[in-house]
Amino acid sequence: GAVVSQHPSRVICKSGTSVKIECRSLDFQATTMFWYRQFPKQSLMLMATSNEGSKATYEQGVEKDKFLINHASLTLSTLTVTSAHPEDSSFYICSARASGGTTDTQYFGPGTRLTVL
Amino acid sequence: KQEVTQIPAALSVPEGENLVLNCSFTDSAIYNLQWFRQDPGKGLTSLLLIQSSQREQTSGRLNASLDKSSGRSTLYIAASQPGDSATYLCAVPGGTSYGKLTFGQGTILTVHP
Repeated sequence: GAVVSQHPSRVICKSGTSVKIECRSLDFQATTMFWYRQFPKQSLMLMATSNEGSKATYEQGVEKDKFLINHASLTLSTLTVTSAHPEDSSFYICSARASGGTTDTQYFGPGTRLTVL
Repeated sequence: KQEVTQIPAALSVPEGENLVLNCSFTDSAIYNLQWFRQDPGKGLTSLLLIQSSQREQTSGRLNASLDKSSGRSTLYIAASQPGDSATYLCAVPGGTSYGKLTFGQGTILTVHP
């Protein structure tokens, strides 16, 4: 089956630094990738939709200048948390929709645990 | 705005029991519903996807049903095992982004030996 990877799986950084998280579709092309955020004991909340070659679409309340998304190729989307603060500590999960597939075909990455000190 | 609710929030059962997890959604105009499993600190694994034209889907010991008109879905797990312990999430498409999924808050299942 289709595989989506995320790197790193875990990152700890100091407050004020920027952190980049990569999401890759390993064996398929993804025109659309989604970035979710999950706080402890809570469900996934969509942050933004990443479309290859165009600007990301952010959900209401998500700061686009703080969470920079780049979808430069059909297999890679990156999320950069700029000037991270402790409240940005969370579990970030991406998903990828296979090109040419229906909206049913969405595959999730293993997640990245971000801890901001 | 679509809202998804899952009941119960947590469930603890002895091994071997059959159990039912519930999911409800406010906007019945969905074209499918998915059930996922999430292990602690891990990503999501898709378990079952039910199209709006279907009433149920089965995979092994799992059976998911969908009643669009009442805005409900259930996930039935037969003969539960300790390895079934995880958080179970249901999700429906919807919202401004094409392909966006709205998730319920999940049911934390613990199956003890």
